[in-house]
Amino acid sequence: GESVGLHLPTLSVQEGDNSIINCAYSNSASDYFIWYKQESGKGPQFIIDIRSNMDKRQGQRVTVLLNKTVKHLSLQIAATQPGDSAVYFCAETSGGGADGLTFGKGTHLIIQP
Amino acid sequence: ETGVTQTPRHLVMGMTNKKSLKCEQHLGHNAMYWYKQSAKKPLELMFVYNFKEQTENNSVPSRFSPECPNSSHLFLHLHTLQPEDSALYLCASSQVQSYGYTFGSGTRLTVV
Repeated sequence: GESVGLHLPTLSVQEGDNSIINCAYSNSASDYFIWYKQESGKGPQFIIDIRSNMDKRQGQRVTVLLNKTVKHLSLQIAATQPGDSAVYFCAETSGGGADGLTFGKGTHLIIQP
Repeated sequence: ETGVTQTPRHLVMGMTNKKSLKCEQHLGHNAMYWYKQSAKKPLELMFVYNFKEQTENNSVPSRFSPECPNSSHLFLHLHTLQPEDSALYLCASSQVQSYGYTFGSGTRLTVV
């Protein structure tokens, strides 16, 4: 099947800087996208989502951007903190969620002091 | 606590053993999922249950056998596994036709 993938396996940023994590997808029928955060020893946790009829959505310190033209998704984290260290996954679905999410490989975000 | 509880947290089993993973959700959801997470690979969807009925089996080998006795409980029965089956097995739940998945912390399985 079509897949969702991430560009970089590891991203290292200085504490206080902004982070941008990218994701490419290939299924043009995808209509819903989610970013998850997975800390060591835990399951993935929902961060923010966006529907395909939107280009941008903001949360607390996080922003998701969707470019449907190039099938690209990004997660921006403002003023990164040590607690942001985790693996970040993008996921997509086109089946209303009932058929399960398709995940990308994940980017490990490392925060340097 | 996420509302989705998985037991055990860690499991080491031989290739001839039979074991079961358990997942329980306290969120009132009616859909449950099993995912496999291997190192350096995307999460792989294994099984989907909607209202206790299996709606998807993502070409999973028969040595993995799911069971969903009710909307709150999900099991994964394991037998004659291979070392390459070693992974983190994650359970998730949601409302049917909803994107709001809640994951458990997973069971770290090692097959020796």
